[in-house]
Amino acid sequence: AQSVTQLDSQVPVFEEAPVELRCNYSSSVSVYLFWYVQYPNQGLQLLLKYLSGSTLVKGINGFEAEFNKSQTSFHLRKPSVHISDTAEYFCAVSGGFQKLVFGTGTRLLVSP
Amino acid sequence: SQTIHQWPATLVQPVGSPLSLECTVEGTSNPNLYWYRQAAGRGLQLLFYSVGIGQISSEVPQNLSASRPQDRQFILSSKKLLLSDSGFYLCAWMARVDTEAFFGQGTRLTVV
Repeated sequence: AQSVTQLDSQVPVFEEAPVELRCNYSSSVSVYLFWYVQYPNQGLQLLLKYLSGSTLVKGINGFEAEFNKSQTSFHLRKPSVHISDTAEYFCAVSGGFQKLVFGTGTRLLVSP
Repeated sequence: SQTIHQWPATLVQPVGSPLSLECTVEGTSNPNLYWYRQAAGRGLQLLFYSVGIGQISSEVPQNLSASRPQDRQFILSSKKLLLSDSGFYLCAWMARVDTEAFFGQGTRLTVV
């Protein structure tokens, strides 16, 4: 079975500070990993995805994530956040069973 | 281009009444289709998914069912709603498990 754990329900950070949102996954088959963002009162938007190859994946809005197979992690990072990055971030995993499973989400709160 | 339609946007139903939420996709063939329920602190809970007409996989035993009568139509149903069925329901589609998922605008269901 596939599952995703996002340990941090909320991450407060000051503007221009770096941030890391943690994601760990579990799967018995090869997986594809995704990060989605949901801005207030909007739908989900794809930030980045890992399919294969380089373990460091770059996405939109300056975000990047690193796939670590040994630690079954796919943490999201940004070196300097903006107020506009305030949103909810979801890690997701898909794979051989055709399922797309999401984590419980992490609310990023950026303050001035 | 591909689009996804989900309706209604909001719905207020009495306990014990039936439910039918419809989702249709345009501009693609044989998509993977998904129903999620989004609740605060629980992220996007996968309810059902389908990889083809008449093929439904259930993730969470509950008071709901799903059907896929046509290639690009996915329906979420209940014979008798419970108060606990209240929530925000999202439909999504993916061409394959290694591609981006696209979401409908969601249905806010309130059972009274």
